[in-house]
Amino acid sequence: ETGVTQSPTHLIKTRGQQVTLRCSSQSGHNTVSWYQQALGQGPQFIFQYYREEENGRGNFPPRFSGLQFPNYSSELNVNALELDDSALYLCASSLLTSGSNEQFFGPGTRLTVL
Amino acid sequence: GNSVTQMEGPVTLSEEAFLTINCTYTATGYPSLFWYVQYPGEGLQLLLKATKADDKGSNKGFEATYRKETTSFHLEKGSVQVSDSAVYFCALVPGNRDDKIIFGKGTRLHILP
Repeated sequence: ETGVTQSPTHLIKTRGQQVTLRCSSQSGHNTVSWYQQALGQGPQFIFQYYREEENGRGNFPPRFSGLQFPNYSSELNVNALELDDSALYLCASSLLTSGSNEQFFGPGTRLTVL
Repeated sequence: GNSVTQMEGPVTLSEEAFLTINCTYTATGYPSLFWYVQYPGEGLQLLLKATKADDKGSNKGFEATYRKETTSFHLEKGSVQVSDSAVYFCALVPGNRDDKIIFGKGTRLHILP
């Protein structure tokens, strides 16, 4: 069974640029959630995708957007990058219909915005 | 609203000491409660969980009991090891088909040999 994988591991961008982060969910999972973890803070929920539709969103502006593909992998896109977007971005997958609310996390992508 | 408050770190202990990391929560429904651990340079791993009042979650010598009357889920371990050095996050999932995780700010734990 393959766990959650994310790419790239690290990324450096400049203000105003756009970035795409990728996540492959664990085999058999149908839901992907994205979290932003700023340095020294707990992760903050960005949004969740279930069956290719957004299924809940946290307090993040519209320049944070996402996609889920038929194989349940997902992308997080951030436009017009700001310095405060520098963080570890975590992806978590789960099986929403299982009755269990356990989410499995990937290792994260560390984004630095200069 | 839903929120989690945990004790601020860093917490520094000697090996074999007793560990307690306090966590309290606010929730509108009947949440599930979790402790996650983040080792240096790694992602989050689920350490233990409890889904209803009076449940005790346990794993790797760590324990936490879901206390509805005090809205708490304190993490304990009887004898810590150097390898337990990490950041620990208390978290809740609100339930009622809302499964986004709400995390505390984390507590960094240093264990000295």
